[in-house]
Amino acid sequence: EPEVTQTPSHQVTQMGQEVILRCVPISNHLYFYWYRQILGQKVEFLVSFYNNEISEKSEIFDDQFSVERPDGSNFTLKIRSTKLEDSAMYFCAGRHLSSYEQYFGPGTRLTVT
Amino acid sequence: SQQGEEDPQALSIQEGENATMNCSYKTSINNLQWYRQNSGRGLVHLILIRSNEREKHSGRLRVTLDTSKKSSSLLITASRAADTASYFCATDPNSGGSNYKLTFGKGTLLTVNP
Repeated sequence: EPEVTQTPSHQVTQMGQEVILRCVPISNHLYFYWYRQILGQKVEFLVSFYNNEISEKSEIFDDQFSVERPDGSNFTLKIRSTKLEDSAMYFCAGRHLSSYEQYFGPGTRLTVT
Repeated sequence: SQQGEEDPQALSIQEGENATMNCSYKTSINNLQWYRQNSGRGLVHLILIRSNEREKHSGRLRVTLDTSKKSSSLLITASRAADTASYFCATDPNSGGSNYKLTFGKGTLLTVNP
């Protein structure tokens, strides 16, 4: 069964550094999402992406964040200058055009020191 | 309560017992989904119920939806130790768009004791 994959599984970075989190969605999915979960808190929507452009973003997704689908398979989330409060688990998700179910990757744990 | 609030926050039962978790939400929805998360791992989709459905079954899972009360319940029958996980409801607000972003609750931590 196809799965969403994410790399790396854990990233430690210093405050102010740039990080790129990578996701490979399921091949026939057309909508893509990033969510994050701060330890002990709810999973929060960050951004949705369709047809090579952002379709919706949350208040969290400020100018420090960007997303890209550089080729036909990868979907990336970039944080330009990380802050301590960016420490969280970041999940990529995707869904098929004709269904509502979202399929999540295993997550990348980002630790900003 | 906020969109997608589950209760109880934690539930501990014995193997073989049934587990019931509830979720309340505030806005109108297209659908409601339940996800499972094992400790420190990703979210696994369990079941989706559309706003025009009242009950749905999938294996040992039974989901109900009451749109008049803006609430849903997830029943896991004949629980197993492997069901130990956090369970989240997620709503897809009926905002007229097609993004179908999900709004998650805080989750119920289910512990099934062998």
